[in-house]
Amino acid sequence: GESVGLHLPTLSVQEGDNSIINCAYSNSASDYFIWYKQESGKGPQFIIDIRSNMDKRQGQRVTVLLNKTVKHLSLQIAATQPGDSAVYFCAENSGGSNYKLTFGKGTLLTVNP
Amino acid sequence: EAQVTQNPRYLITVTGKKLTVTCSQNMNHEYMSWYRQDPGLGLRQIYYSMNVEVTDKGDVPEGYKVSRKEKRNFPLILESPSPNQTSLYFCASSFLPLTTDRSSTDTQYFGPGTRLTVL
Repeated sequence: GESVGLHLPTLSVQEGDNSIINCAYSNSASDYFIWYKQESGKGPQFIIDIRSNMDKRQGQRVTVLLNKTVKHLSLQIAATQPGDSAVYFCAENSGGSNYKLTFGKGTLLTVNP
Repeated sequence: EAQVTQNPRYLITVTGKKLTVTCSQNMNHEYMSWYRQDPGLGLRQIYYSMNVEVTDKGDVPEGYKVSRKEKRNFPLILESPSPNQTSLYFCASSFLPLTTDRSSTDTQYFGPGTRLTVL
């Protein structure tokens, strides 16, 4: 079936470096994508979203890139800080009358001081 | 403070004993949803609701029921819990629909989670 997945289950970076977390999706009908951050013991926290009519969106220290040609989504975190250590999930919505969100399995980001 | 609350936060129960996990939001959101989170499987949607009296199945609805009698509340009901329903459960809410071209971000807020163990 259709699924959302991640290329890398873990990512370890040095404080101050930029981080890139990748996500592949298989449903070409998906038109809305979200990145979430989940810290230990907490619920997922919205980071940034992007719609399929865009290929880039920037937030505070974060940028999401969408490549519809290869069905790939990435989250870039600039100047990664220890507080960025968490599990990051991408999620997709296939639009139309189906409002269900499908989540990827998550990438654990560890920031080393 | 804008928030989603869940109760209880932790629950240990036995097979077959009916239970309800409550979820409440104070943001006047139309959309509410329940997810379960399991190691290696990520977050999977159980049920969702687009408004009062409007609910629909997510990806893993078997063994669960929901109701949406009021806009702010979206309880998750396990009529006869089984050990395979041991999991971490999250409730979430947002304005809807998520895919409209609203000018503001349709932030989806998650509750703090309910850790359920079924023996």
